[in-house]
Amino acid sequence: GQNIDQPTEMTATEGAIVQINCTYQTSGFNGLFWYQQHAGEAPTFLSYNVLDGLEEKGRFSSFLSRSKGYSYLLLKELQMKDSASYLCAVISFSGGYNKLIFGAGTRLAVHP
Amino acid sequence: DVKVTQSSRYLVKRTGEKVFLECVQDMDHENMFWYRQDPGLGLRLIYFSYDVKMKEKGDIPEGYSVSREKKERFSLILESASTNQTSMYLCASRTGLSTDTQYFGPGTRLTVL
Repeated sequence: GQNIDQPTEMTATEGAIVQINCTYQTSGFNGLFWYQQHAGEAPTFLSYNVLDGLEEKGRFSSFLSRSKGYSYLLLKELQMKDSASYLCAVISFSGGYNKLIFGAGTRLAVHP
Repeated sequence: DVKVTQSSRYLVKRTGEKVFLECVQDMDHENMFWYRQDPGLGLRLIYFSYDVKMKEKGDIPEGYSVSREKKERFSLILESASTNQTSMYLCASRTGLSTDTQYFGPGTRLTVL
């Protein structure tokens, strides 16, 4: 079957670093996305990884290991506005189409 | 600027009613998607469309149908709403390239009484 796991909740302190992990078991892997979703709003794109390694984009970085079925999102210099849910999503090719399969999301609370 | 709009932010309907959720994108995207989002379950794909008049079932199509008569518009239809369809419904669109990100609408919170 297809499965994506990420922690349900995390808390962190303003100015700190937090790592949100995602493990997946899917067939036909074609890449992995991270999205940010503030309460009551639409998910917005953060990063895309298809090759192993680290992709850095400002305060946010995303890592992928295809052999381990593992990714993480690293948030540095945390700000209060980073309090949101973070969604891990895998592109899986099945049934002739590429589909995006989402994890349940990790709710991050940043406190002063 | 990329834009996906949905017809309503909040909707309250009664069991058995027919419900239409509309989604419009202005990016000339080929692909459009309907998801529902429930606590602890994440986003689950209901239906998607890769072209006008084309539709494919997602993971949870039961109780739903869709319509795509124009490229920019993708409608989700609940033929006879039930209480277990109370949820947040999110529409998304994307180019034809699967490695491009999906752009999401603001969502419609549907409550079925």
